[in-house]
Amino acid sequence: RKEVEQDPGPFNVPEGATVAFNCTYSNSASQSFFWYRQDCRKEPKLLMSVYSSGNEDGRFTAQLNRASQYISLLIRDSKLSDSATYLCVVKGTYKYIFGTGTRLKVLA
Amino acid sequence: DADVTQTPRNRITKTGKRIMLECSQTKGHDRMYWYRQDPGLGLQLIYYSFDVKDINKGEISDGYSVSRQAQAKFSLSLESAIPNQTALYFCATSDSRTALGSNEQFFGPGTRLTVL
Repeated sequence: RKEVEQDPGPFNVPEGATVAFNCTYSNSASQSFFWYRQDCRKEPKLLMSVYSSGNEDGRFTAQLNRASQYISLLIRDSKLSDSATYLCVVKGTYKYIFGTGTRLKVLA
Repeated sequence: DADVTQTPRNRITKTGKRIMLECSQTKGHDRMYWYRQDPGLGLQLIYYSFDVKDINKGEISDGYSVSRQAQAKFSLSLESAIPNQTALYFCATSDSRTALGSNEQFFGPGTRLTVL
């Protein structure tokens, strides 16, 4: 079983749609959680950290469920510019574990 | 100016050649990492360093070596490049002093390496 698992997609959604991604992790001792965005052939960039109480940043909402060991990302009112790959990242004591990413394509 | 820089950005080389990829950062972070990314795979950790005198192997260190010349510089070497080392290589930094949940990694722009 992979340490961090994501549905690779692609998710093809129309502009304005709401889309949700999930990510599961295997290590219950994981300490920190993040969503990164990666555009084609570019470096990953932090989208948002994920906190136990859930957190929101504009159109983006992240949730953490420690009991079930999953993280989610909700994108509301999708824009064309949201098209990218979204990486789930889980950090233990020192190591960051990356999911393989979920590809999103927002269609005009 | 970019906080984490990598040189070269692209490199084509031949099997058996020695290659060095360099990473510099101006963020003042103590921790630095080297990853490779292959299509369809997540980022795989090659080596990491928590300070100048600390070097640790990651998941896929075979065929690679590193040097932490200063807090701001971390270089990756391929002693004798082989075709299956063709990949996109990223350097990253993090700060051990930041609080849990905020201790994200910052990435350089990547080096695209092709070994023929």
